[in-house]
Amino acid sequence: AQSVTQLDSHVSVSEGTPVLLRCNYSSSYSPSLFWYVQHPNKGLQLLLKYTSAATLVKGINGFEAEFKKSETSFHLTKPSAHMSDAAEYFCVVSEYGNKLVFGAGTILRVKS
Amino acid sequence: GAGVSQSPSNKVTEKGKDVELRCDPISGHTALYWYRQRLGQGLEFLIYFQGNSAPDKSGLPSDRFSAERTGESVSTLTIQRTQQEDSAVYLCASSFREGYNEQFFGPGTRLTVL
Repeated sequence: AQSVTQLDSHVSVSEGTPVLLRCNYSSSYSPSLFWYVQHPNKGLQLLLKYTSAATLVKGINGFEAEFKKSETSFHLTKPSAHMSDAAEYFCVVSEYGNKLVFGAGTILRVKS
Repeated sequence: GAGVSQSPSNKVTEKGKDVELRCDPISGHTALYWYRQRLGQGLEFLIYFQGNSAPDKSGLPSDRFSAERTGESVSTLTIQRTQQEDSAVYLCASSFREGYNEQFFGPGTRLTVL
């Protein structure tokens, strides 16, 4: 069975400093992995996706994630945080491109 | 074109009542998904449709929950005899076809059962 563990429920960074949101997954097969973002009172938006091509995936708004099979990790990073990045981030796994399995979410706070 | 739309945006009901939640997918998207997000938790998969059939209903929590899709477009999620634990945001998503990785989400319906 697939599962996702987001290692931090809350992350707080200062504006202009790097962001690291950690995610570990469990999957029996070669999974597809995603990061979604949910801003307050807004719908879920796809940030980036990994589907067995390049292991370093670039997404929108300067975010990227690296798929590491040996570590079963798919951590999300951004070199420099912006106030507008404050939101909740979900790491997601899918084995067959249908049912998405979501992590519990990480709330990112950006301090000025 | 327009994104995924859901109605109502908010629904407050009394325990024991039935509710219907509606989802309009993106035009041309043949796959449609329902998820539930309880407070402080990630999304839970409920059911998905490819066309008008539902190959995977494994996430429906009980037989009080049902969903249908007609005309390969609108879908309705029905919860009968609502319970307080049904309170959540119900999200709908659509994708070009089943197995296609990117799902586009609607804004959700916030259901509160008193």
